[in-house]
Amino acid sequence: EAGVVQSPRYKIIEKKQPVAFWCNPISGHNTLYWYRQNLGQGPELLIRYENEEAVDDSQLPKDRFSAERLKGVDSTLKIQPAELGDSAVYLCASSRGQTTDTQYFGPGTRLTVL
Amino acid sequence: GQQLNQSPQSMFIQEGEDVSMNCTSSSIFNTWLWYKQDPGEGPVLLIALYKAGELTSNGRLTAQFGITRKDSFLNISASIPSDVGIYFCAGQGGETSGSRLTFGEGTQLTVNP
Repeated sequence: EAGVVQSPRYKIIEKKQPVAFWCNPISGHNTLYWYRQNLGQGPELLIRYENEEAVDDSQLPKDRFSAERLKGVDSTLKIQPAELGDSAVYLCASSRGQTTDTQYFGPGTRLTVL
Repeated sequence: GQQLNQSPQSMFIQEGEDVSMNCTSSSIFNTWLWYKQDPGEGPVLLIALYKAGELTSNGRLTAQFGITRKDSFLNISASIPSDVGIYFCAGQGGETSGSRLTFGEGTQLTVNP
């Protein structure tokens, strides 16, 4: 069974530019998560989807961050415009459906904002 | 929000030694989880603990859910070079975080052959 797929793996942009990350969860997993992991820290949840619905986006900086999960499968996380402080690893994870189910993480996208 | 204090921040050990790391919180969680993250990869779940006082093993790994529900520890016995990585604790089902996972800052483990 394929794991969580993320692309790109690395992205370098200049500040004020837009950037987008893509995630394909494990087949059959209804719940999808986006996390941000700053250097030397643990992941922090940005948004959680159950199917197409964003059920927890309280920690998503909505002034510049947006996300969508059309058709309840793939998801895209966008930052516009990017700031220097957005440099981090953006991790996608998925789980079957219950919030207590194991979350399987993708390899992440390492973003560097110059 | 809830904060997890994980210690030590880093450990340098010789192959074959046992390792212990722990995690404490100022408030309770209903579930404690331990993850390992290799460079360039996402975290992988090692052990999940669902009940206060629970002691669970997974091969050379043993973890315990503290009685107060505010702490957990992870032990690795007879370490080997592939144990190298960053170990994260995570709490779930907290008083303020609900179902959201709250991660510690990680313990960087280095194993010298």
